[in-house]
Amino acid sequence: SAVISQKPSRDICQRGTSLTIQCQVDSQVTMMFWYRQQPGQSLTLIATANQGSEATYESGFVIDKFPISRPNLTFSTLTVSNMSPEDSSIYLCSVRTGLDYGYTFGSGTRLTVV
Amino acid sequence: ILNVEQSPQSLHVQEGDSTNFTCSFPSSNFYALHWYRWETAKSPEALFVMTLNGDEKKKGRISATLNTKEGYSYLYIKGSQPEDSATYLCAFIISGTYKYIFGTGTRLKVLA
Repeated sequence: SAVISQKPSRDICQRGTSLTIQCQVDSQVTMMFWYRQQPGQSLTLIATANQGSEATYESGFVIDKFPISRPNLTFSTLTVSNMSPEDSSIYLCSVRTGLDYGYTFGSGTRLTVV
Repeated sequence: ILNVEQSPQSLHVQEGDSTNFTCSFPSSNFYALHWYRWETAKSPEALFVMTLNGDEKKKGRISATLNTKEGYSYLYIKGSQPEDSATYLCAFIISGTYKYIFGTGTRLKVLA
């Protein structure tokens, strides 16, 4: 299965600033997925990043707040823009290894906004 | 809105105890159910992929069952060890769209 390197692993940021999270996959994948887990909540899909086209955002998430880049088949970034304390969450990138095999995840970015 | 619920939210058990927790999901539009183990500062790790009503899967001391008609899955851990301490997530996959809906997880702490 794929191996995903995600960084940073954690950060503490000031409100109003932006943070870019990077994910590198050790193999080429068509789609990469970005998830968020707010405290006490379930993992929620933010968007699907496709190479060569704009990301597809889920209801409640917009490109201005969470711009995504996908320059090639092994790399993607998610930016959390103009942060507020409500953005404090764990952010995960993932790839799907097949419906019968589930997701492979990065190790997550634990973000605290103060 | 499709809800996937897990219970309990958290629990502490003594080393050697056996334990189980529940994932409840919609009984319609079922494609599959996945279980993951998520240790702090690590990636969630896939444990089981369950697709058929009555499925039982086992990996070492951990096993899972599936009832798609009533919409629940149980995860069992026999003889819990401190290294079993983690959050256990289930994910319901919707037939047709293949979207994943995750539960909020059960946080397990095994006390030595």
